[in-house]
Amino acid sequence: GENVGLHLPTLSVQEGDNSIINCAYSNSASDYFIWYKQESGKGPQFIIDIRSNMDKRQGQRVTVLLNKTVKHLSLQIAATQPGDSAVYFCAEPPGNTPLVFGKGTRLSVIA
Amino acid sequence: GAVVSQHPSRVICKSGTSVKIECRSLDFQATTMFWYRQFPKQSLMLMATSNEGSKATYEQGVEKDKFLINHASLTLSTLTVTSAHPEDSSFYICSPRGSHLDTQYFGPGTRLTVL
Repeated sequence: GENVGLHLPTLSVQEGDNSIINCAYSNSASDYFIWYKQESGKGPQFIIDIRSNMDKRQGQRVTVLLNKTVKHLSLQIAATQPGDSAVYFCAEPPGNTPLVFGKGTRLSVIA
Repeated sequence: GAVVSQHPSRVICKSGTSVKIECRSLDFQATTMFWYRQFPKQSLMLMATSNEGSKATYEQGVEKDKFLINHASLTLSTLTVTSAHPEDSSFYICSPRGSHLDTQYFGPGTRLTVL
């Protein structure tokens, strides 16, 4: 079953502002997390991952924060652009079993 | 990241016909292939899992005789929707995984419309 869930189904952000997308997980033994982005009509695209031995990982304009105490992940997008409009999923690769997706958070960027 | 292709990207067919969707992992060997489908405004739903050279395992509610999966090689898997009906219209996405990878990558998807 699902081990991860998402707090908000939709998020609207002004272009240029920062976006924060949140995710909760239930399995305290989880040690690896991935954020995916799915644009309309496309398959999910890997954005960034983080292992449980880290609290923070930065990519290009994206940062993932992991709070193991409260079992919470967040994806921060700096200077949000129209091209960031998509559905974002957090996922916990459960070893040999396939990823099960939650509903995702739809990010809409207002120009 | 890994490169995954799907063909066709879009297909429209008449009710009762069969449609084959190909998924290729271009730069790694996919020992496991997952097939998902996604209806409008919904999340991805796992349909089946196949390991190279073995029969696929289907999720509950997915008809194995209707959705035929072939995973005969480490770089190619096919999903055939047999006797398609309008309710099979959906976005089909493959997701290969290599034996040494934690990460699942995804194909670009195939939009199937059954008239």
